[in-house]
Amino acid sequence: QKEVEQNSGPLSVPEGAIASLNCTYSDRVSQSFFWYRQYSGKSPELIMSIYSNGDKEDGRFTAQLNKASQYVSLLIRDSQPSDSATYLCASPPGGDSWGKFQFGAGTQVVVTP
Amino acid sequence: EAQVTQNPRYLITVTGKKLTVTCSQNMNHEYMSWYRQDPGLGLRQIYYSMNVEVTDKGDVPEGYKVSRKEKRNFPLILESPSPNQTSLYFCASSPRQLTNYGYTFGSGTRLTVV
Repeated sequence: QKEVEQNSGPLSVPEGAIASLNCTYSDRVSQSFFWYRQYSGKSPELIMSIYSNGDKEDGRFTAQLNKASQYVSLLIRDSQPSDSATYLCASPPGGDSWGKFQFGAGTQVVVTP
Repeated sequence: EAQVTQNPRYLITVTGKKLTVTCSQNMNHEYMSWYRQDPGLGLRQIYYSMNVEVTDKGDVPEGYKVSRKEKRNFPLILESPSPNQTSLYFCASSPRQLTNYGYTFGSGTRLTVV
């Protein structure tokens, strides 16, 4: 069982709309969560990190964390064609697995003009 | 410029011919890691290292070796490559506080084993 789960998509979003991506995790000890964006054939790029319950906003991106329910989400407001990419949720597990850093399979987002 | 540098970017090799993919970072990061990415399987961790001479297996270590003799370098070695190791490989690094910073990735190495 993967410890970080995402819907693979594709998630089709009209330009200007809000894209909503979800991620669930199984390790209750996980303390921090990261969202990466990956364009086809390119390396993952960190766009958001979140450690506390609640919302964290950065430009058009908002990350939401709910530790009790073990999910983290990413909202992309005013979606643009340049947001078309695969979005990866990631988290290092808690405890002594200090180096492991697992990724979800990613959600493909397609922004349509 | 702060970066993680992988070489080569593209590599085609034959089954059984030993190869090394190099990875170097100039950010004085403690953590380094190797991932492979395959369609439908996402990013899977091969090996990781917390510091010089400290390495551990990730989720898919079979067929790979690593070493961390210097802080900046973390090469990935395929002693006897096989076609099922055809994949896109990424090296990544992070400061000591992995849980606060996450990984920064290199540009990737696309390996084809025929």
